[in-house]
Amino acid sequence: RKEVEQDPGPFNVPEGATVAFNCTYSNSASQSFFWYRQDCRKEPKLLMSVYSSGNEDGRFTAQLNRASQYISLLIRDSKLSDSATYLCVVNPLLSGGYNKLIFGAGTRLAVHP
Amino acid sequence: NAGVTQTPKFQVLKTGQSMTLQCAQDMNHEYMSWYRQDPGMGLRLIHYSVGAGITDQGEVPNGYNVSRSTTEDFPLRLLSAAPSQTSVYFCASSYYSGESNYGYTFGSGTRLTVV
Repeated sequence: RKEVEQDPGPFNVPEGATVAFNCTYSNSASQSFFWYRQDCRKEPKLLMSVYSSGNEDGRFTAQLNRASQYISLLIRDSKLSDSATYLCVVNPLLSGGYNKLIFGAGTRLAVHP
Repeated sequence: NAGVTQTPKFQVLKTGQSMTLQCAQDMNHEYMSWYRQDPGMGLRLIHYSVGAGITDQGEVPNGYNVSRSTTEDFPLRLLSAAPSQTSVYFCASSYYSGESNYGYTFGSGTRLTVV
């Protein structure tokens, strides 16, 4: 079983739609969670951190469910520019204090006019 | 502020050749790492460093060496290139502390093809 699992998609949605992605992680001791965005043939870029209390940034909302070990990302009012691959990222342990991140394979989103 | 700079952006190697991928950051980040990205597999950690003079292996270290003589630079060496090392390589850096809630800043990547 992969440490971080995501539906690869693609999710094809019209402009203005609301779309949600889920991600599951296997290590219950995981401490930090992130969503990254990766455009085609570009480097991943940090979209937002995911806190236990949830996190909202404009049209983007991230939620963490520790009991079920999943993270979600909700995008409201989708724009063409939201088309990208969204990577779910987990830091499994605090031991040693080092910042080792585990990346999911990504969920592809395509927003069409 | 350049962030994380990787060179070269593209490289074609013949099987058995060696080369070094360069990575430099100007943010005074203690933590640096190398990932490779293959289709459908996500980014996999090759090697990482928590400071100058300190390196350790990640998930897929075989065939690669690293060193960290300065805070800024973290080169990745391919010892004897194999077709299985055809991939996109990303260097990343972040702050390092007991609190792990820092995201990474990535370089723009090196696309390597081994023929």
